[in-house]
Amino acid sequence: EAGVTQFPSHSVIEKGQTVTLRCDPISGHDNLYWYRRVMGKEIKFLLHFVKESKQDESGMPNNRFLAERTGGTYSTLKVQPAELEDSGVYFCASSQDVSGYYEQYFGPGTRLTVT
Amino acid sequence: AQSVTQLGSHVSVSEGALVLLRCNYSSSVPPYLFWYVQYPNQGLQLLLKYTTGATLVKGINGFEAEFKKSETSFHLTKPSAHMSDAAEYFCAVSDRGGGNKLTFGTGTQLKVEL
Repeated sequence: EAGVTQFPSHSVIEKGQTVTLRCDPISGHDNLYWYRRVMGKEIKFLLHFVKESKQDESGMPNNRFLAERTGGTYSTLKVQPAELEDSGVYFCASSQDVSGYYEQYFGPGTRLTVT
Repeated sequence: AQSVTQLGSHVSVSEGALVLLRCNYSSSVPPYLFWYVQYPNQGLQLLLKYTTGATLVKGINGFEAEFKKSETSFHLTKPSAHMSDAAEYFCAVSDRGGGNKLTFGTGTQLKVEL
């Protein structure tokens, strides 16, 4: 069974540009989460999809971030326009159910560098 | 809001020595508790979790953790460190019935020396 995959693994862009990160969850997992780790800080929750619906987007930092999950399969996270403080590692995770009894499986992350 | 404290951003142990990584959480209602490990260039992998029942939880690779409600702690231990244990370890919690979004500590980088 394939795990959670993320693309690209690394992205270097200039301030003001747009970047789109993609996450493919484990097949059949309705729940998809995005997290971010800014260097030296803790991993922080961004948002949670259940199928194609945003269940919780309380962690999204501002309206420069747009997440979508069309068809309830893969998800994209677009940053437009990117700022220096957006640099960090963006993780995606998926799980079968929202209960804490169900493990969240993490992807390897996308390292975003904004210069 | 939940918070998780991991004491020590870097811990160094000798091979064969006890590993102890500390984690404390802030919630007055015991949450679900997790330890994740991240090896270089890989995603986070679940080591173990506490949801209910026995407070001593055993995980993969010989790790275990004990939930202590009175101390709001969930410290991770391994009796004998191996070189392959060198990685970054994250303690995390999620609220019961809260959609399972994880709140993480800042992580502890474990170094294992010969």
